[in-house]
Amino acid sequence: QQQVKQSPQSLIVQKGGISIINCAYENTAFDYFPWYQQFPGKGPALLIAIRPDVSEKKEGRFTISFNKSAKQFSLHIMDSQPGDSATYFCAATGNNAGNMLTFGGGTRLMVKP
Amino acid sequence: DAGVTQSPTHLIKTRGQQVTLRCSPKSGHDTVSWYQQALGQGPQFIFQYYEEEERQRGNFPDRFSGHQFPNYSSELNVNALLLGDSALYLCASSLEFSDTQYFGPGTRLTVL
Repeated sequence: QQQVKQSPQSLIVQKGGISIINCAYENTAFDYFPWYQQFPGKGPALLIAIRPDVSEKKEGRFTISFNKSAKQFSLHIMDSQPGDSATYFCAATGNNAGNMLTFGGGTRLMVKP
Repeated sequence: DAGVTQSPTHLIKTRGQQVTLRCSPKSGHDTVSWYQQALGQGPQFIFQYYEEEERQRGNFPDRFSGHQFPNYSSELNVNALLLGDSALYLCASSLEFSDTQYFGPGTRLTVL
């Protein structure tokens, strides 16, 4: 059973545009939601993370929006750049999950110059 | 400050063989988790080690086993390899009870 659903599977954005990736989770015990960026042939790199006690977190051009009642969270990449072209994964975990990360299926982002 | 390191980078094996992958955690981290990432998919949790013991296990068969050493480094062993075991194997390290996990570059295993 996939506990974290991610959409879209792929996304094409023009340089300077806003990239938006959405995730939905089922397990209400999840209490930590990180986003990872992965380039081809590399391991995932932690980008930004949020806990349910806040509805939004911003770090530079990256913002997470969190809707606890809807069990949804999203990543916004402002002023998208060609260097942002990568695969993005949302994930979720919680203490009752032993800090095991459950990942979404990934979104392949392409930013066109 | 060294990040998570993994060896080897690539590995080619044939069906039925056994393989051992290695991981050194980020400096100061004491917990190591292993994930399998099939092509085009998100990583899947295999197991986690803390204080040299397997603390939690995902939905993987007993062919997958591991070990953690006193210096916190870890090994992942896979026996009786199947074609379906071809994947990128990722090691992630963290502090005990911390949700934040940092991933290594992975080992690409190809089973022929």
